[in-house]
Amino acid sequence: KAGVTQTPRYLIKTRGQQVTLSCSPISGHRSVSWYQQTPGQGLQFLFEYFSETQRNKGNFPGRFSGRQFSNSRSEMNVSTLELGDSALYLCASSLAASSYNEQFFGPGTRLTVL
Amino acid sequence: GIQVEQSPPDLILQEGANSTLRCNFSDSVNNLQWFHQNPWGQLINLFYIPSGTKQNGRLSATTVATERYSLLYISSSQTTDSGVYFCAGPLSGNTPLVFGKGTRLSVIA
Repeated sequence: KAGVTQTPRYLIKTRGQQVTLSCSPISGHRSVSWYQQTPGQGLQFLFEYFSETQRNKGNFPGRFSGRQFSNSRSEMNVSTLELGDSALYLCASSLAASSYNEQFFGPGTRLTVL
Repeated sequence: GIQVEQSPPDLILQEGANSTLRCNFSDSVNNLQWFHQNPWGQLINLFYIPSGTKQNGRLSATTVATERYSLLYISSSQTTDSGVYFCAGPLSGNTPLVFGKGTRLSVIA
């Protein structure tokens, strides 16, 4: 069974631009979560989607948004990029909505904002 | 919110040595996972261990939920074990995973 896939793997943008990252969960998994990892803040939760509905949201500004499609694939969007948005963005999928389910991570998208 | 503390923050080992990594939670958790982050950034699942003990080759983990801690044992370490080890758990089924700051392990040949 294929794992979680994320595209693109690397991205370079300039301040003020917007970016869209994509995540395809493991086949059969319906929950997708997004995390941001930076050297200073560690791994921080962005949001979680289940059945096309946002189930949880972390403490990030409204510039960060996401959505989930009927096939469970998810996208996250960051508008008006800032230098501090440079980070590794990780997506995780799990079978169901409960956090008691084991989560599996994709390889990540490394975003650099210049 | 829940706090997750990992120790030690850094660990340097000679190849072949054994080690124990610890994860403490400020509140009870109902799920706990251990991950290894490889040099390319991917989080590799090691254990899903809400309680009890599990073993997988040279690695084993024990979670004592009532005392709010989990341990990851690495025996006969190899250079490929190098990387950052994270533990994470949710406060409840409706809350996301909370990660510790990780333990950076360096295994030297």
